[in-house]
Amino acid sequence: GAVVSQHPSWVICKSGTSVKIECRSLDFQATTMFWYRQFPKQSLMLMATSNEGSKATYEQGVEKDKFLINHASLTLSTLTVTSAHPEDSSFYICSAGGAGIRYNEQFFGPGTRLTVL
Amino acid sequence: AQSVSQHNHHVILSEAASLELGCNYSYGGTVNLFWYVQYPGQHLQLLLKYFSGDPLVKGIKGFEAEFIKSKFSFNLRKPSVQWSDTAEYFCAVNAGQAGTALIFGKGTTLSVSS
Repeated sequence: GAVVSQHPSWVICKSGTSVKIECRSLDFQATTMFWYRQFPKQSLMLMATSNEGSKATYEQGVEKDKFLINHASLTLSTLTVTSAHPEDSSFYICSAGGAGIRYNEQFFGPGTRLTVL
Repeated sequence: AQSVSQHNHHVILSEAASLELGCNYSYGGTVNLFWYVQYPGQHLQLLLKYFSGDPLVKGIKGFEAEFIKSKFSFNLRKPSVQWSDTAEYFCAVNAGQAGTALIFGKGTTLSVSS
């Protein structure tokens, strides 16, 4: 299957700072990437959908000014958590799909654990 | 809007017992269906998927699932569980057209005692 990487795998930052998380499709072109958030022992909640070259579509309740998503190329999407606070601590997971991927299947990255002190 | 319901929050089994985890979805159109597993401290892994064709799909590690369209269900089964199957299991669905996100159920925690 296709491979999706995320960097960093974990990050600890101080409250008020910004953190950027990268999601890369390594062996296919991802026309669409998705960002999810997972709280401990809970399910994945969709945050936003991004299509290459256009603005991301955010789910209801997700602050677009706080969670900046950029999908500038067919292999890279970034999520920037601006002015992070302890309540933003979570596991962030991206997935990627593409026009050449069968049946709208998506491939998940390994996730990034963010801890805000 | 699509939604996914997993009926079992926490299932506790002994090794060699049979497993069935329920999953129901609500969506009127064509759907793709998935089961993912998340072992403690690890990331999501795809167990199996259904797109079309034979409604009984077989996945990795001896898991299978059956799509029953009339019941909007996609239950996961394994005839004999092992201690190593202890994990969180997520059912997910997306619409048939490209570019739609996966909607996940709340997950089922499976604990297998040896």
